[in-house]
Amino acid sequence: EAQVTQNPRYLITVTGKKLTVTCSQNMNHEYMSWYRQDPGLGLRQIYYSMNVEVTDKGDVPEGYKVSRKEKRNFPLILESPSPNQTSLYFCASSLTSGSLADTQYFGPGTRLTVL
Amino acid sequence: GENVEQHPSTLSVQEGDSAVIKCTYSDSASNYFPWYKQELGKRPQLIIDIRSNVGEKKDQRIAVTLNKTAKHFSLHITETQPEDSAVYFCAASIPDNFNKFYFGSGTKLNVKP
Repeated sequence: EAQVTQNPRYLITVTGKKLTVTCSQNMNHEYMSWYRQDPGLGLRQIYYSMNVEVTDKGDVPEGYKVSRKEKRNFPLILESPSPNQTSLYFCASSLTSGSLADTQYFGPGTRLTVL
Repeated sequence: GENVEQHPSTLSVQEGDSAVIKCTYSDSASNYFPWYKQELGKRPQLIIDIRSNVGEKKDQRIAVTLNKTAKHFSLHITETQPEDSAVYFCAASIPDNFNKFYFGSGTKLNVKP
């Protein structure tokens, strides 16, 4: 089954404790992206990757890191989480990153709470 | 960069009525416009999309219209049902900007039985 998976689905942590949220897709998609969703603010892009070893900042990258060592995986790293990073996080992937945009498929989401 | 505005933020309709959600975009280079439905606690899922070379697209009770001159596009849901209740997001994508999606802020649709 074609899908985007994220782990963990729920996480409660404390300020400053490094964490990683994994994202994996089995559709051989080139493009992957991370979003955060906060009430009233919609979906805001954190980082995106156009292919292996190619990543770039989105609209709200501060406090986050990513890596793309393999095509299927795109982990989101919070080196020193703070309470303002409490949010619902979505990973997404799509087939193309070129001039012909394609729809993005979303993972199930990770609800993160930073105390 | 692109700016997508979505209206209304909330919409309440009676079952069987139609619902219309509108989005405007600022960058005339945008050429792909998907609509996502997000049920409570779930992921956004694509319900319909349209490219800039098409003015209208329909899929059963759902349709999207695009007016490139005015830079706006709309989602139309006819014969609404309670299961249509969700948050709907529009988005616009610019071809030269690496498939970046610019999302609207969402519309919470409530269909009353």
